[in-house]
Amino acid sequence: GAGVSQSPSNKVTEKGKDVELRCDPISGHTALYWYRQSLGQGLEFLIYFQGNSAPDKSGLPSDRFSAERTGGSVSTLTIQRTQQEDSAVYLCASSLIPGSYRYGYTFGSGTRLTVV
Amino acid sequence: GENVEQHPSTLSVQEGDSAVIKCTYSDSASNYFPWYKQELGKRPQLIIDIRSNVGEKKDQRIAVTLNKTAKHFSLHITETQPEDSAVYFCAANKAAGNKLTFGGGTRVLVKP
Repeated sequence: GAGVSQSPSNKVTEKGKDVELRCDPISGHTALYWYRQSLGQGLEFLIYFQGNSAPDKSGLPSDRFSAERTGGSVSTLTIQRTQQEDSAVYLCASSLIPGSYRYGYTFGSGTRLTVV
Repeated sequence: GENVEQHPSTLSVQEGDSAVIKCTYSDSASNYFPWYKQELGKRPQLIIDIRSNVGEKKDQRIAVTLNKTAKHFSLHITETQPEDSAVYFCAANKAAGNKLTFGGGTRVLVKP
């Protein structure tokens, strides 16, 4: 696609429910990243996929969070048993070459998650 | 791991004046430093970046400087305009294959 697509754009869920957030990166981009942005805050790294390598999960805040990337393309971030502190904008980004000097991240528009 | 500190957290300038945002990083192995602009309700977008083998880079009204010895880098916006109002994030990472670590962001308000 022309850009990084994320769905849904907004999600309101009840505390304790599971949610799935989807990211469709730019075609051909081998690296995919998930970040979380709480209201008025910075960008918190969650997880990073690069090709067929094992993902870097070092930013996942708890075992309620998991992510997968199928076929080296679409990624799904799953949050189980959601808590109110999970409310944030979840941003996905992709890059042609990881950490490339010529191609920075291209971000999606994000999914705004609200846990009530 | 890498830690990036960004200052100030908010910055208000008069239209036409300059704005400067400063970042420091902890990992001396970091060698790529991009800056992102995020307008209200929109996604962050890359506006300029610099590699460690360069001390300064300019693109029209924006410039970035890097001091590797002191481990800090700065964004300079000259002749600010209302459309420069946004949140700006600095970031750092090591060689290819690693993720970016972002600063906390600077909310810039340009007053007409």
